Amino acid sequence: QQQVKQSPQSLIVQKGGISIINCAYENTAFDYFPWYQQFPGKGPALLIAIRPDVSEKKEGRFTISFNKSAKQFSLHIMDSQPGDSATYFCAASKGNQFYFGTGTSLTVIP
Amino acid sequence: GAVVSQHPSWVICKSGTSVKIECRSLDFQATTMFWYRQFPKQSLMLMATSNEGSKATYEQGVEKDKFLINHASLTLSTLTVTSAHPEDSSFYICSAPTSGNWNTQYFGPGTRLTVL
Repeated sequence: QQQVKQSPQSLIVQKGGISIINCAYENTAFDYFPWYQQFPGKGPALLIAIRPDVSEKKEGRFTISFNKSAKQFSLHIMDSQPGDSATYFCAASKGNQFYFGTGTSLTVIP
Repeated sequence: GAVVSQHPSWVICKSGTSVKIECRSLDFQATTMFWYRQFPKQSLMLMATSNEGSKATYEQGVEKDKFLINHASLTLSTLTVTSAHPEDSSFYICSAPTSGNWNTQYFGPGTRLTVL
């Protein structure tokens, strides 16, 4: 059973636009929700993370929105840039149990 | 942030040979490390949890005799792909949580294995 569902699978956005990636989870015991950014041939890098006691977290152009009742969270990339083109993974965890979404390939076109 | 390195970054080997991949935590101690496998354009698949000083815990469907894991020190875990075959070709990534904070996982840069 897929613990974390992620959509869309791929996304194309114009430079300056807003990129939105969505994730939904099943287990209400999860207490940490990170987003990772991965460039081709590289390992994932932690981008931003949120805990379920807050509904939003913003770091620069990246914002996580969290809806605990709906068991959903999303990543918003404002003013998307070509350098943001990468694969993004959401994840949900409890202790050392990590579950990754299936990934979203983002392409930002100039 | 904490740094995790992997060596080699890529390796090509002949079918039937064994390949060892190292994962090191450079500026922190990691009693636990995780090994993932990633196929092109797919998500990370957890293979096993490597525990310092004890046996690794393998995920269902992962052959422990084929993917040997040794976590001999607090900063080094190794994954050995034994008798590699072309279907073992993949991107292998390790990660480690910082001590006392399981939620913060730091990933290595990955190792691309190609078995001819």
